[in-house]
Amino acid sequence: GQNIDQPTEMTATEGAIVQINCTYQTSGFNGLFWYQQHAGEAPTFLSYNVLDGLEEKGRFSSFLSRSIGYSYLLLKELQMKDSASYLCAVRDSNYQLIWGAGTKLIIKP
Amino acid sequence: DTAVSQTPKYLVTQMGNDKSIKCEQNLGHDTMYWYKQDSKKFLKIMFSYNNKELIINETVPNRFSPKSPDKAHLNLHINSLELGDSAVYFCASSQDGGSGANVLTFGAGSRLTVL
Repeated sequence: GQNIDQPTEMTATEGAIVQINCTYQTSGFNGLFWYQQHAGEAPTFLSYNVLDGLEEKGRFSSFLSRSIGYSYLLLKELQMKDSASYLCAVRDSNYQLIWGAGTKLIIKP
Repeated sequence: DTAVSQTPKYLVTQMGNDKSIKCEQNLGHDTMYWYKQDSKKFLKIMFSYNNKELIINETVPNRFSPKSPDKAHLNLHINSLELGDSAVYFCASSQDGGSGANVLTFGAGSRLTVL
C-alpha cells in the first residue's frame, strides 16, 4: 500500500529552527509537496520538490532524497504565525496525490 | 477576488437527508477536485474532474456524486447522509491535472455535521 509518515505533533520556540520529517512509500514518484494548514482554514501551498536536494524559499526550505523516500521541511526564525499543521503529499505514478496526516507545529514564546 | 469559493461553510443535517455543497473557481483552472478531511486530518481525494475526464476514487460511496455544469463549477451532491459522512469537505482546483508542479488552490472548506 501507499503510505506517508510524519510526526503527529512538534513543539518549538519562537525564533528557533524546526525540521519536520516526512517519509513515504508510494507506487512511483512524481513530486513531493508541502502545504501549510492553519486551524479551521484551507491548506496552502508551500513547496514542491521533484529532484533530490534542497529548495529554499525565504524562511522555509524543503529537502528531498528519492532513494530513501525522505523529505523534510525546515522552518527558520520561527514566528508565532507559523503555528499550523504541515502536510506532506506525494504524487504517485498515476499523478494522484497521496497525503500524510500532517504535523501540528506548536510555537511557544 | 480570485479564489476557490465553496458554500455553505457549515452544514448541519439529519441522517438520511440529501444535501449539496457548491464550489466555484475563477482562476481559469482546468481541473477541480473534492477532498474529504476527517477527524484524523487525512485529506482523501474523492473526485477529480476536468473537461475530459471524471476520476472517481473507488472507495467513495455512490451516494456521493459530483456535478459540473461548466469548467468553473464542481458541486458535490450527497444522498442519504450517514453519521460517517461528518467531515470537512474541501474543493480545490489546479491549472494542470497531471505533470508539472500542479499546485492545488483550496477553498475554505465546508464542515458537514450529520446528526
